[in-house]
Amino acid sequence: NAGVMQNPRHLVRRRGQEARLRCSPMKGHSHVYWYRQLPEEGLKFMVYLQKENIIDESGMPKERFSAEFPKEGPSILRIQQVVRGDSAAYFCASSPGIAHGNTIYFGEGSWLTVV
Amino acid sequence: AQKVTQAQTEISVVEKEDVTLDCVYETRDTTYYLFWYKQPPSGELVFLIRRNSFDEQNEISGRYSWNFQKSTSSFNFTITASQVVDSAVYFCALPINAGGTSYGKLTFGQGTILTVHP
Repeated sequence: NAGVMQNPRHLVRRRGQEARLRCSPMKGHSHVYWYRQLPEEGLKFMVYLQKENIIDESGMPKERFSAEFPKEGPSILRIQQVVRGDSAAYFCASSPGIAHGNTIYFGEGSWLTVV
Repeated sequence: AQKVTQAQTEISVVEKEDVTLDCVYETRDTTYYLFWYKQPPSGELVFLIRRNSFDEQNEISGRYSWNFQKSTSSFNFTITASQVVDSAVYFCALPINAGGTSYGKLTFGQGTILTVHP
């Protein structure tokens, strides 16, 4: 009964490097969401993906951030040329569908520290 | 626009006390759901409850109970006989309802930090 699996749990990157965060949704869930938790801003929606499609990326920064959810394998949140302000907890969540009120289950989070 | 307000930034209680965490929301939707999540010191987000706006009955799960009042747009969470393990940040959340479906785009409150002292 695996839940939403995220890795790595903790990641340290130097400024200018790339960060890749991975997320495997719960079994039977084909909808994935990424959220970011910043101390000053709280939990904010970033992007919603279904297999091979980005459905809503209204919360994604316009530059350096990208997300994918390929046909096979986990969803990836990619941050290029990281800056100190990218240091945050990144949460992945999944749901079985888009029926109104589907419960959204979150993973344990990936903590990115940019030094 | 959807909005969730958790006015209590921090609450501190002594073990065995009852504590209520407030959540007030704003929505134009006539049908909606509300969620509570718990974030313990280890950092993960744990689902606690989902409540349908049609159902105003209070819900109880062990020491946890929820009071949903549509008239005041509130969905408050009470922990009875609190324990040290209840220490966590608690979030109330409201999904965006987009054209009759709502996917996992949640609006979160700022969270309430609950500290339960032994």
